[in-house]
Amino acid sequence: KAGVTQTPRYLIKTRGQQVTLSCSPISGHRSVSWYQQTPGQGLQFLFEYFSETQRNKGNFPGRFSGRQFSNSRSEMNVSTLELGDSALYLCASSLDRGSFYGYTFGSGTRLTVV
Amino acid sequence: GQNIDQPTEMTATEGAIVQINCTYQTSGFNGLFWYQQHAGEAPTFLSYNVLDGLEEKGRFSSFLSRSKGYSYLLLKELQMKDSASYLCAVRDKDDYKLSFGAGTTVTVRA
Repeated sequence: KAGVTQTPRYLIKTRGQQVTLSCSPISGHRSVSWYQQTPGQGLQFLFEYFSETQRNKGNFPGRFSGRQFSNSRSEMNVSTLELGDSALYLCASSLDRGSFYGYTFGSGTRLTVV
Repeated sequence: GQNIDQPTEMTATEGAIVQINCTYQTSGFNGLFWYQQHAGEAPTFLSYNVLDGLEEKGRFSSFLSRSKGYSYLLLKELQMKDSASYLCAVRDKDDYKLSFGAGTTVTVRA
């Protein structure tokens, strides 16, 4: 079956701009989580969506937002980009919240802010 | 919240065994995961422990002691392709949030 699909794979944006990243989970998976990965901070939790509702949010400023659609696809948006937002953004899906089958990650979107 | 510690780097020889330790402090525990991440790629699921004890899966085994807040991932018969970062992650029992350690980079030498 198809894995988790993230688009685009690479993005270069200018400071102050905004960006939207997309994540299509594995068919049947209803939970989608977003993470930011940087060399210095590792994987940092951004937010989790389940049944079109945000269930959890990490310690990120309000410039980071997201949503989930009825088909479980999710988008995250970062407004007023800063240089420090340069990172690999990973999306992970799972069957359900608390699933012991684990989370399947997409290949990520590498965002560079210049 | 979660506080997760694991060594930064480990080096071992092809065919050898390496044990990656992970200690955690958590306000609520709902399972511990190990992921493997090759450079430039997505993390891939290796194992899940929610009860104390050892889970074996081929060359990889994972152990959990909830009372000690301790887990390890054991990699046996190391191969060059095992060179990667290994991530320990703990899930919170109240909000199911997955918190990751900084990762352990394992380098396998010929």
